[in-house]
Amino acid sequence: GAGVSQSPSNKVTEKGKDVELRCDPISGHTALYWYRQRLGQGLEFLIYFQGNSAPDKSGLPSDRFSAERTGESVSTLTIQRTQQEDSAVYLCASSLEQGAVNQPQHFGDGTRLSIL
Amino acid sequence: AQSVTQPDIHITVSEGASLELRCNYSYGATPYLFWYVQSPGQGLQLLLKYFSGDTLVQGIKGFEAEFKRSQSSFNLRKPSVHWSDAAEYFCAVFPLFSGSARQLTFGSGTQLTVLP
Repeated sequence: GAGVSQSPSNKVTEKGKDVELRCDPISGHTALYWYRQRLGQGLEFLIYFQGNSAPDKSGLPSDRFSAERTGESVSTLTIQRTQQEDSAVYLCASSLEQGAVNQPQHFGDGTRLSIL
Repeated sequence: AQSVTQPDIHITVSEGASLELRCNYSYGATPYLFWYVQSPGQGLQLLLKYFSGDTLVQGIKGFEAEFKRSQSSFNLRKPSVHWSDAAEYFCAVFPLFSGSARQLTFGSGTQLTVLP
């Protein structure tokens, strides 16, 4: 019964570099969410995927951010030309069905991204 | 505008003392309501949720929360705090009706410190 797995757990990179964050959802979970959590703040929704439907990208802060998911499996969040304000913890969550509120979201431990 | 407010950024209590964490929401209709806990370096864990019915809901780890429609509040309580309860607590809402984005909206969090 593995939970949501995220890698790497920590990432330090130089400003201007691209980074790729990975999320392995719980097997069978069709919905997958990415959130950003800046220091001392709550979670900020970025994007969600539901099965093979078009993802809701309404939370992505800029065109430097993109995410992909193949079917109901792994998702990657890519940040291009990183800026210092991108430093945050990036959390992934999955649930059995998006929009079904009785299906709770299960969170990974996050990737702590630090931009130097 | 729809919002979730946690007015207390940081709360300190002594072990064994009672605890109440405040959460207020502003939505057109009563949303679904949640409390999550985040321990250092970890993802979020669901403590409890309210959908309808009994306004006092019980959760894990001895926590409970009371929904008060007249006050648009969903405060989290615990009668006797343990040192292991030290963590950050997030209130979250899920809209009842479609039209707005169907994902969790989080408050900014309350950091709980427990003194020995």
